[in-house]
Amino acid sequence: EIVMTQSPGTLSVSPGEGATLSCRASQAVSSNLAWYQQKPGQAPRLLIYRASTRANGIPARFSGSGSGAEFTLTISSLQSEDFAVYYCLQYYTWPRTFGQGTKVEIK
Amino acid sequence: QVQLVESGGGVVQPGRSLRLSCAASGFTFSSFGMHWVRQAPGKGLEWVAAIFADGNSKYYADSVKGRFSISRDNSRNTLYLQVTSLRGEDTAVYLCARESNSDWYIDSWGQGIQVTVSS
Repeated sequence: EIVMTQSPGTLSVSPGEGATLSCRASQAVSSNLAWYQQKPGQAPRLLIYRASTRANGIPARFSGSGSGAEFTLTISSLQSEDFAVYYCLQYYTWPRTFGQGTKVEIK
Repeated sequence: QVQLVESGGGVVQPGRSLRLSCAASGFTFSSFGMHWVRQAPGKGLEWVAAIFADGNSKYYADSVKGRFSISRDNSRNTLYLQVTSLRGEDTAVYLCARESNSDWYIDSWGQGIQVTVSS
């Protein structure tokens, strides 16, 4: 199985600042990588698919990049509603695997 | 509007079984692959199982293979997860999720149903 490793585990950011989240795969997954945001008590929400395509309704401050085994989610200027946990998911092969998550918290 | 509503959870003793259901609406259920994902208390997301739109192909995480079985009834717009030989580590919120029909990522989620394994 492909292991997805996210870093850092926790990111402390002030509102208005940018944030860069990393997701690394134990083997190449092409561009078959999605990012999700989850807030406490809520279901995850799709942000990015195909490594860099924003899902419908996702603000432009969210951007994804990378291919192969290294991926990045960038939030250009954090708003209060962006403080949450973020997960990457590889859908290149079975079984699907998630990263362990990065919590973005208010500094 | 896509709606996925899970049911069938609860408190169950170790070794027992349960069947989870996910009622889908707002889209053509029979055209979409479907997944189950779980989240243990305070932990991250763990992919559990998936089934193709026609029900002919199924995939499982190693942690549940042989104990869990995914199925669907396209005439009832319902996804199922039969969970057997339950263990404490199966305690989690189980979420039903839809796969995009243009690619293989998960694009929609239910709110989840709690399963607690405890004697």
